Amino acid sequence: SQTIHQWPATLVQPVGSPLSLECTVEGTSNPNLYWYRQAAGRGLQLLFYSVGIGQISSEVPQNLSASRPQDRQFILSSKKLLLSDSGFYLCAWSDYYTGELFFGEGSRLTVL
Amino acid sequence: AQSVAQPEDQVNVAEGNPLTVKCTYSVSGNPYLFWYVQYPNRGLQFLLKYITGDNLVKGSYGFEAEFNKSQTSFHLKKPSALVSDSALYFCAVRDTANAGKSTFGDGTTLTVKP
Repeated sequence: SQTIHQWPATLVQPVGSPLSLECTVEGTSNPNLYWYRQAAGRGLQLLFYSVGIGQISSEVPQNLSASRPQDRQFILSSKKLLLSDSGFYLCAWSDYYTGELFFGEGSRLTVL
Repeated sequence: AQSVAQPEDQVNVAEGNPLTVKCTYSVSGNPYLFWYVQYPNRGLQFLLKYITGDNLVKGSYGFEAEFNKSQTSFHLKKPSALVSDSALYFCAVRDTANAGKSTFGDGTTLTVKP
């Protein structure tokens, strides 16, 4: 069966520090991968998606970047965090044919 | 562009009563519609989906949803609510092209009181 792992679960970082959140998927190949941000426990904002290795599409101009160095690995990064980067970050994968999204457990980032 | 609206931020029901969480959508082609549930500090979990076929879709934990094309709605329902159903519920529509990106509603908090 497929599983998705996301880490770290919780992160407290000072303004201006770098960020790296990692997500890996097991049990499937060539998944579509997504990074979402959820602010204040409400709606989800799509940040990045990827349909293959090295292929990244950005949805919202921002202080963040994403990379996909391997088929089942998706990384969210920042060189210098801002206060507004605080939030709950969710990685997800989808099978293109079935359509539903499978989410990781999330990473809560607090920027102080 | 596709969009989803969940008109209620909060729905309160008594345990044992039926529940409905509303969702309307806008999409240019045939809609692929989904419901997800989120418990506090957790990722979202898939509940059910509509792609084609019967308008009444059955999903996990006794939930079902009714697709209504004329009203562009996809309301989530359950005949008898449980306290453990209390959570945040999201409706989503999927773009069948463009990497299958999903657009989510803002979520509805369901509270089931004993």
